[in-house]
Amino acid sequence: RKEVEQDPGPFNVPEGATVAFNCTYSNSASQSFFWYRQDCRKEPKLLMSVYSSGNEDGRFTAQLNRASQYISLLIRDSKLSDSATYLCVVNGAGSGNTGKLIFGQGTTLQVKP
Amino acid sequence: DAGVIQSPRHEVTEMGQEVTLRCKPISGHDYLFWYRQTMMRGLELLIYFNNNVPIDDSGMPEDRFSAKMPNASFSTLKIQPSEPRDSAVYFCASRSTIGQGEKYEQYFGPGTRLTVT
Repeated sequence: RKEVEQDPGPFNVPEGATVAFNCTYSNSASQSFFWYRQDCRKEPKLLMSVYSSGNEDGRFTAQLNRASQYISLLIRDSKLSDSATYLCVVNGAGSGNTGKLIFGQGTTLQVKP
Repeated sequence: DAGVIQSPRHEVTEMGQEVTLRCKPISGHDYLFWYRQTMMRGLELLIYFNNNVPIDDSGMPEDRFSAKMPNASFSTLKIQPSEPRDSAVYFCASRSTIGQGEKYEQYFGPGTRLTVT
């Protein structure tokens, strides 16, 4: 079983749609969670951290369910510019404060006009 | 402020040749990470350094791969001899344990696209 699992998609949605991505992780000791965004042929960049209480940044909402070891990302009012691959990221087992991160395979989103 | 710098951006080489990838982390960052990304396996951590010291190299695929960090502003990843299955995008990332920004946020370089024929 992979440490971080995501549905690879692709998710094809029209502009303005709401889309949700899910991710599960295997290590119950993980403490830090993130969503990174990667555009085609570019490097990954931090989109947002995921907090236990849930957090929102504009059209993006991230949630964490520790009991189910499940992370989600909701994008409202999708824009063409949201087309990218979204990587679910968890800090590695036993990594303490080292910040070793484990990346999921990514979920591809394509927003159509 | 310059981000993480990697060179070369593209490398095409023949099987059996030595390949050296280079990385300059963001000034002041004390962690440096080397990743490999392929369609099949996604983004995999190869090795990381803290204050120039290798901490975890468990992701290095085999002895053909080696990495060094002789000082805080430079690291290399070497493959000798290279094989076609090494073809991938190799990313370098760095982060700081102090200062501004999200804890654990890693800043990635643009990557080196390696093709071994």
